[in-house]
Amino acid sequence: EDQVTQSPEALRLQEGESSSLNCSYTVSGLRGLFWYRQDPGKGPEFLFTLYSAGEEKEKERLKATLTKKESFLHITAPKPEDSATYLCAVQANSNYQLIWGAGTKLIIKP
Amino acid sequence: DVKVTQSSRYLVKRTGEKVFLECVQDMDHENMFWYRQDPGLGLRLIYFSYDVKMKEKGDIPEGYSVSREKKERFSLILESASTNQTSMYLCASSLETGGPGELFFGEGSRLTVL
Repeated sequence: EDQVTQSPEALRLQEGESSSLNCSYTVSGLRGLFWYRQDPGKGPEFLFTLYSAGEEKEKERLKATLTKKESFLHITAPKPEDSATYLCAVQANSNYQLIWGAGTKLIIKP
Repeated sequence: DVKVTQSSRYLVKRTGEKVFLECVQDMDHENMFWYRQDPGLGLRLIYFSYDVKMKEKGDIPEGYSVSREKKERFSLILESASTNQTSMYLCASSLETGGPGELFFGEGSRLTVL
């Protein structure tokens, strides 16, 4: 069964303390892996798409990486405004619809 | 900027009422989606549409129906609301052919059914 698991559920960091969020997936052939950011009371906002193992994408303090089993969202020297829930979704070759993880709630304390 | 607008941010309805959630996008996207989001669960797909007049069931269509009479508008209908339909409802659109691709979401409609 196709599945996406995100860990940890929640992560509290001090401002400037770098860390990583994990998205593990099991799908029968990966078509693409997506990262979104969601602020409280708002809809998710697209961040990155990764298509093949070894691929990396960067945006400001965020870098997403992909292996054959998981993706990491690395956050370097985070600021309080990076606080949000980060969602991972996977699209399999066999099913064009997205399979979503439950998200990681990131809190950055000043 | 792509804008996806959901008509109601917050709604409170009674059990058995008919509920309409409307969604409009302004970027001429072919694809539109309705998801619901509940704490601790990933987004779950209710219905989607890849073309006007076309609709397809997602993973949890029971208790819901949709309408897409115009390309820019995709409505979600709860024929007879129940308490287990209390949730955040998210509408999204995308341009990619053959799949969701990069999704653009609305701000969500938080529905409470009493």
